[in-house]
Amino acid sequence: GDSVTQTEGQVALSEEDFLTIHCNYSASGYPALFWYVQYPGEGPQFLFRASRDKEKGSSRGFEATYDKGTTSFHLRKASVQESDSAVYYCALGDGGADRLTFGKGTQLIIQP
Amino acid sequence: EAAVTQSPRNKVAVTGGKVTLSCNQTNNHNNMYWYRQDTGHGLRLIHYSYGAGSTEKGDIPDGYKASRPSQENFSLILELATPSQTSVYFCASGEDWGGFDEQYFGPGTRLTVL
Repeated sequence: GDSVTQTEGQVALSEEDFLTIHCNYSASGYPALFWYVQYPGEGPQFLFRASRDKEKGSSRGFEATYDKGTTSFHLRKASVQESDSAVYYCALGDGGADRLTFGKGTQLIIQP
Repeated sequence: EAAVTQSPRNKVAVTGGKVTLSCNQTNNHNNMYWYRQDTGHGLRLIHYSYGAGSTEKGDIPDGYKASRPSQENFSLILELATPSQTSVYFCASGEDWGGFDEQYFGPGTRLTVL
């Protein structure tokens, strides 16, 4: 079945550092790829999506490029801020069942 | 603005008891979903629905039932709660765009089974 593997556990950075959270997927067909963000005490919220090879999704300074060749959708941000501290989820969309499969999440901790 | 609400927000139940978690959405979305969130597992899909009267099994349906009596409401039912079902549960709604639509999540229900 479909699966998503992302950077496990925590990533700890200082403000203005460059962020990369890795996401690789395994799926039949041509799924849409998503990033969601979850702040403490809230439900996850949609960050952005990409639906075809080489498409870049972006929002709030975060970006990721759909790479069908390497089956990846890595999340990047050039300069993180303390307010970016949250849990980030990579997900893929199953077109047949109209549902999402999520990775296990990566907690981003930004130290001031 | 999209709105998904859940009730209760916190629940303590006893082993063997029945628990019902409720979800309401005002987005007029066809699809609704129930997830549980656990450390080390992320978000896992329990049940989902394509519209009133429909329910589908997700990846971890054992021990859970779902009910979709209307477009707006989707319930998760634990007939015989067990401590392993202690978790945070999220409801979400989404359009029926064949896996390309974003999902809107509620604020979550924290369930503790003693």
